[in-house]
Amino acid sequence: GDSVTQMEGPVTLSEEAFLTINCTYTATGYPSLFWYVQYPGEGLQLLLKATKADDKGSNKGFEATYRKETTSFHLEKGSVQVSDSAVYFCALRGGYGGATNKLIFGTGTLLAVQP
Amino acid sequence: DTAVSQTPKYLVTQMGNDKSIKCEQNLGHDTMYWYKQDSKKFLKIMFSYNNKELIINETVPNRFSPKSPDKAHLNLHINSLELGDSAVYFCASSQGSGGAFFGQGTRLTVV
Repeated sequence: GDSVTQMEGPVTLSEEAFLTINCTYTATGYPSLFWYVQYPGEGLQLLLKATKADDKGSNKGFEATYRKETTSFHLEKGSVQVSDSAVYFCALRGGYGGATNKLIFGTGTLLAVQP
Repeated sequence: DTAVSQTPKYLVTQMGNDKSIKCEQNLGHDTMYWYKQDSKKFLKIMFSYNNKELIINETVPNRFSPKSPDKAHLNLHINSLELGDSAVYFCASSQGSGGAFFGQGTRLTVV
């Protein structure tokens, strides 16, 4: 079945460091890919998405590129801030990305940014 | 305006009780979901409705029963609560192939 694998955390960085959180997926068809962020005590917020190969999603300085050849969707940010500390989830909507397909999440990666 | 709102935010109850969590979305989305997040932050889908019709029903004990009176509402009723039901329950909605919008979560504690 469809699945998402992301790097285990916690990831601890100093402010202004470069961030990469790895995410790979297994899916049939042409899934849509997403990154979500969850701040402490809150629900998940959609951070960015990509719906087809080579698409780049970007938001708030974060970027991720849909790589079909490596089945990856790694999250990057050039300079993290303390306020970026949160849990980040990679997710996919399988099949052909339609509403009847499940939104499947990775296990989440805790990012802690120190001043 | 809150896009996806769920109530209550916190719910503490004794084993064996029956409880409900309500969810409403004002985004005009056709699809709504219930997810369970455990203490390790793992998210697992429980149910999904599309235009009031159940389309995803994962392996969930039949003590859990979703109800969608209209496409803007999806409630979750839980019978005979058990200790293992303690978790954060998230309601979400989406439209087509877009990403889902999540509510703030309901932290259920069964004592």
